[in-house]
Amino acid sequence: AQSVTQLGSHVSVSEGALVLLRCNYSSSVPPYLFWYVQYPNQGLQLLLKYTSAATLVKGINGFEAEFKKSETSFHLTKPSAHMSDAAEYFCAVSRSSGDKLTFGTGTRLAVRP
Amino acid sequence: EAGVTQFPSHSVIEKGQTVTLRCDPISGHDNLYWYRRVMGKEIKFLLHFVKESKQDESGMPNNRFLAERTGGTYSTLKVQPAELEDSGVYFCASSQVILEKLFFGSGTQLSVL
Repeated sequence: AQSVTQLGSHVSVSEGALVLLRCNYSSSVPPYLFWYVQYPNQGLQLLLKYTSAATLVKGINGFEAEFKKSETSFHLTKPSAHMSDAAEYFCAVSRSSGDKLTFGTGTRLAVRP
Repeated sequence: EAGVTQFPSHSVIEKGQTVTLRCDPISGHDNLYWYRRVMGKEIKFLLHFVKESKQDESGMPNNRFLAERTGGTYSTLKVQPAELEDSGVYFCASSQVILEKLFFGSGTQLSVL
């Protein structure tokens, strides 16, 4: 069985500060890992995905995530937060392409001016 | 290109009533998924269609939920009779072939009173 743990249901940062959203996974097979973002009144959008290629994955809007097998982590980072980054972020895992996603509980990011 | 469209955006019904949610995937997307988020918890998989066939319905909570996909185009999810615990946000997503990129709708907020 797979599972995802997102530490911190709410994270608040100042504009221009580093964004770090944590995600740890559990999987019995090499995982596919994803970060999705949901802006208010919109559907989830794919930020980035890891599929066993490079361990550092770059996504849209300046976000990136690093796959660390030894730590079973896939934390999301952005060097400098922007007000428009305020949203809810979801980490997800699947066993393979085409398989269903298992999501974490989400982290709501607030960006202070 | 139109995205994934869900109707209605909000639905408020009483316990015991019937509700039907509709999802129109992106044209040409054979894969259609239903997910649900209950009370701010994790987003959970319900089922997966490939064209008109149910590929995986392991996430359907019980037999009060019935999903159909007519002619491999739009899909409906019927809840009959609705219970209080069915309240939540129901998301639909589609993908062209495999889980390379999943496109989500903005969801239907269902409230059962």
